[in-house]
Amino acid sequence: ETGVTQTPRHLVMGMTNKKSLKCEQHLGHNAMYWYKQSAKKPLELMFVYSLEERVENNSVPSRFSPECPNSSHLFLHLHTLQPEDSALYLCASSREGGIHQPQHFGDGTRLSIL
Amino acid sequence: TQLLEQSPQFLSIQEGENLTVYCNSSSVFSSLQWYRQEPGEGPVLLVTVVTGGEVKKLKRLTFQFGDARKDSSLHITAAQPGDTGLYLCAGAPDYGQNFVFGPGTRLSVLP
Repeated sequence: ETGVTQTPRHLVMGMTNKKSLKCEQHLGHNAMYWYKQSAKKPLELMFVYSLEERVENNSVPSRFSPECPNSSHLFLHLHTLQPEDSALYLCASSREGGIHQPQHFGDGTRLSIL
Repeated sequence: TQLLEQSPQFLSIQEGENLTVYCNSSSVFSSLQWYRQEPGEGPVLLVTVVTGGEVKKLKRLTFQFGDARKDSSLHITAAQPGDTGLYLCAGAPDYGQNFVFGPGTRLSVLP
């Protein structure tokens, strides 16, 4: 139990579907992150929220839309995805948003785009 | 070109052997973190190294940060099957780019 819970664990969707990934942290942290982990690439940072404000968006396509309603919850809304978006999507949290902060990861959502 | 390189990419050894994996960059990092990721799970932080030349030990794992803060190594003594996993190094370079991960070393320890 890492204190970071992601749902669903697996998701299969068509290219025209709309779905959302959910992340919840029970650690009292102030920063939350979305990462993409593909088979042949390093972990890629997608979005960073600190105190519910987005502080980083690493040129992620607009078909990925994050939402952070409070410091414990983070969503990733998916719309009109492409096959190359199939990957493991990991959520993480840290006490603060600094670059030295250790990050606590959830177990990810395995996303498959048909 | 990746900011952080890790070697070897894959490593398969017998239980009881020692091993070292490496994390290298041409950039200076203010700190580096090491994570282990097991199949079906997210990465779990093992250690953070901050000072050049720093050595940290975690049971059978020894982590070293290079004097110039451009590289780090992880040495495992008497490896066990429970050490199997993907070992990731991560950090943010001094010039302020985003936090980045290396591609990882996939370790398999056979009983």
